[in-house]
Amino acid sequence: AQSVTQLDSQVPVFEEAPVELRCNYSSSVSVYLFWYVQYPNQGLQLLLKYLSGSTLVESINGFEAEFNKSQTSFHLRKPSVHISDTAEYFCAAFYNQGGKLIFGQGTELSVKP
Amino acid sequence: DGGITQSPKYLFRKEGQNVTLSCEQNLNHDAMYWYRQDPGQGLRLIYYSQIVNDFQKGDIAEGYSVSREKKESFPLTVTSAQKNPTAFYLCASRTGGMELFFGEGSRLTVL
Repeated sequence: AQSVTQLDSQVPVFEEAPVELRCNYSSSVSVYLFWYVQYPNQGLQLLLKYLSGSTLVESINGFEAEFNKSQTSFHLRKPSVHISDTAEYFCAAFYNQGGKLIFGQGTELSVKP
Repeated sequence: DGGITQSPKYLFRKEGQNVTLSCEQNLNHDAMYWYRQDPGQGLRLIYYSQIVNDFQKGDIAEGYSVSREKKESFPLTVTSAQKNPTAFYLCASRTGGMELFFGEGSRLTVL
């Protein structure tokens, strides 16, 4: 079955520290991967995506994720977090078979001063 | 501006009542989706539609119904058969590049 697993439900971290949010997906010949961010009581905003090409993708606000096919992972990283990064982060996979975007359970990132 | 509009943002309903959540998009996207969000459970797919006049059940379709009579509109009805309807509901539409664009959500509370 197609699935996405986020390994941590909550990640507390101090400001300016590095962070990694982990995501694994079920293997497929054709899969596209995404990270979305959600602020309280709002919809989801796309943070970054992997469709093809370079396995390292970056966002405009310093986040990056690396597509690792052998480990079926798409972990999100940031070398130095800010208070404003506090939000819930969702990993998602689009499988061509079925036309559905499947989400992980979400990781709540809490950045403390 | 192009985007997805969900209404109402907040909605209260008595048990046994049906309620319809509106979702409108002006992005000219063919595919539209409804997700339900509960704390700690991520987003679960209720229904999706890849083209006008066609839609498919997602993982938790029981107690919900949809229609797709126009490309721009994909309303979701939460029926009285839905046992636990209190949740945050998110509508989205999809580009050809697989990316989903989301509305701001509708929070339904059953009293």
